[in-house]
Amino acid sequence: DVKVTQSSRYLVKRTGEKVFLECVQDMDHENMFWYRQDPGLGLRLIYFSYDVKMKEKGDIPEGYSVSREKKERFSLILESASTNQTSMYLCASSLQGLNTGELFFGEGSRLTVL
Amino acid sequence: GENVEQHPSTLSVQEGDSAVIKCTYSDSASNYFPWYKQELGKRPQLIIDIRSNVGEKKDQRIAVTLNKTAKHFSLHITETQPEDSAVYFCAAPNQAGTALIFGKGTTLSVSS
Repeated sequence: DVKVTQSSRYLVKRTGEKVFLECVQDMDHENMFWYRQDPGLGLRLIYFSYDVKMKEKGDIPEGYSVSREKKERFSLILESASTNQTSMYLCASSLQGLNTGELFFGEGSRLTVL
Repeated sequence: GENVEQHPSTLSVQEGDSAVIKCTYSDSASNYFPWYKQELGKRPQLIIDIRSNVGEKKDQRIAVTLNKTAKHFSLHITETQPEDSAVYFCAAPNQAGTALIFGKGTTLSVSS
């Protein structure tokens, strides 16, 4: 079974804090993704990576950055958290070639910024 | 870029009825259309997908149809059961084919 693990299920941070969300997958997948999920807005793509040290912006990258130093780990960074970044963050991975395989999601990290 | 519209946003049916959720997409080059189901408090999981070289695909009580001319695809669930209650998301590839763009989701409620 593919396992995508997000290190924190729930976080509460203050405005202006730097926040790290970590994601690890154990199936040697090339592609990794960060989405945020908000009621009524669905899943919106923040950033993704198809190889180590590679990253691509998604639809809503503003206020976020990412790091992929190792194949199995993809981190989402909020340099200075703001209240509008309160959300559920979902990490996902897939085998190479997006159109040939499914996305495997982590359980999500619910971030509250006060 | 790709834009995926999903309707309806909520759907309530009686157990045993059929449910249909429809999505439209904007990029005519898109060729892969998956559907994900997210139960309350759980992660989204793939339930069925279709590629552009076929018009319909079935898996037991669920089916997906694709109309490439009209640029829409639909999820059909027959003989609905309470455990079908969940949020369903459709998706299509972005313009580069490197990531999935999701619809806003449909909350399906099946009452017994």
